[in-house]
Amino acid sequence: AQRVTQPEKLLSVFKGAPVELKCNYSYSGSPELFWYVQYSRQRLQLLLRHISRESIKGFTADLNKGETSFHLKKPFAQEEDSAMYYCALSMSGGTSYGKLTFGQGTILTVHP
Amino acid sequence: GAVVSQHPSWVICKSGTSVKIECRSLDFQATTMFWYRQFPKQSLMLMATSNEGSKATYEQGVEKDKFLINHASLTLSTLTVTSAHPEDSSFYICSAPSPAGGGGNEQFFGPGTRLTVL
Repeated sequence: AQRVTQPEKLLSVFKGAPVELKCNYSYSGSPELFWYVQYSRQRLQLLLRHISRESIKGFTADLNKGETSFHLKKPFAQEEDSAMYYCALSMSGGTSYGKLTFGQGTILTVHP
Repeated sequence: GAVVSQHPSWVICKSGTSVKIECRSLDFQATTMFWYRQFPKQSLMLMATSNEGSKATYEQGVEKDKFLINHASLTLSTLTVTSAHPEDSSFYICSAPSPAGGGGNEQFFGPGTRLTVL
């Protein structure tokens, strides 16, 4: 069975400091990995997906199949980055397409 | 981007009653929608996949007679919590796949429904 692990429940940094939110996964097939973000009082929204290899709001994430990781990074954190971040995995194709398995989430707090 | 709405945003009910939660895709069609449950400060757990025109598929451990799902149209899925009990109190969230297709399996999430069973 697939599993997503975010080892840090809480992460605090100061504004301008680098930040890395860790995500590890286990899945025997070829997964799609995502980072979703939930700002205070807002709905869950997509931040990044690994197949796009894009940078959104200064965040990047690289899929490392050898280490089965998909860590989220930003070189200079901003106060507005404070939110709950979820790493999620979608299994490839078939009847599982679209189903997401979420990690436990990491609450990021960026202090001024 | 695409918008998914849920109604109601919160509901309080007495133990033993049934509650219906609606999930709508506002500007796109969704043949599949997903229902998740989220406990306070915890992750989202997939409950079931709602399929337009056919039966929902439930994840292991989810009682299909307890959580009735109906996907009556291409824009509406409903989750009915039958004979609700306090342990059913939770935050229920639905999602629908991006209408854009390709480019990855992006999901659009509703704002969630807070259910409190007294």
